Amino acid sequence: EAAVTQSPRNKVAVTGGKVTLSCNQTNNHNNMYWYRQDTGHGLRLIHYSYGAGSTEKGDIPDGYKASRPSQENFSLILELATPSQTSVYFCASGDARLGGRDTLYFGAGTRLSVL
Amino acid sequence: AQKVTQTQTSISVMEKTTVTMDCVYETQDSSYFLFWYKQTASGEIVFLIRQDSYKKENATVGHYSLNFQKPKSSIGLIITATQIEDSAVYFCAMRVGYAQGLTFGLGTRVSVFP
Repeated sequence: EAAVTQSPRNKVAVTGGKVTLSCNQTNNHNNMYWYRQDTGHGLRLIHYSYGAGSTEKGDIPDGYKASRPSQENFSLILELATPSQTSVYFCASGDARLGGRDTLYFGAGTRLSVL
Repeated sequence: AQKVTQTQTSISVMEKTTVTMDCVYETQDSSYFLFWYKQTASGEIVFLIRQDSYKKENATVGHYSLNFQKPKSSIGLIITATQIEDSAVYFCAMRVGYAQGLTFGLGTRVSVFP
């Protein structure tokens, strides 16, 4: 069954540490996205990718890097984690062939706490 | 810049009745796509229904339908014959352009009571 799988599901990190959130999709989609969800802000786009080797900045990219080594995998990297990055992070994939009609398929989310 | 506004933070309804929730969007583009998603208590986010800006007919999928009022930049979601499992947070979202992700509203929490 096609799916978007995120790991880890929960993560506790220390301030200043490096955190890598991973996402794998079996939908064979070109597009992948990283969002964070916070109370009062909803879902906000951090980075996205059109395919292997590409990463693009979303609306709130500061403090985050992304990596898309393959069609299936898309990682979000926090080089120096800060408490303000405590949030729930969602990965999603989308079918580029659909253009604007592309419907995002979301992973289950990663709950990150930076202490 | 695009903006999506959901003014209703929460709605409570009795089972088997109809619930309507509002969404207003802002964009300068003439072509755009509007989506509704549902987030369950477990955190799972699932796509429900989409409206293309150039289509006059309101989209309908199962017991979900849309009330698209383009002159008012409004896209309401209507759920008929609600069930307990419709209790969730509902997000309105918009895409302008291609492959740039979606802009989401803050969501409306719907509670369905027996």
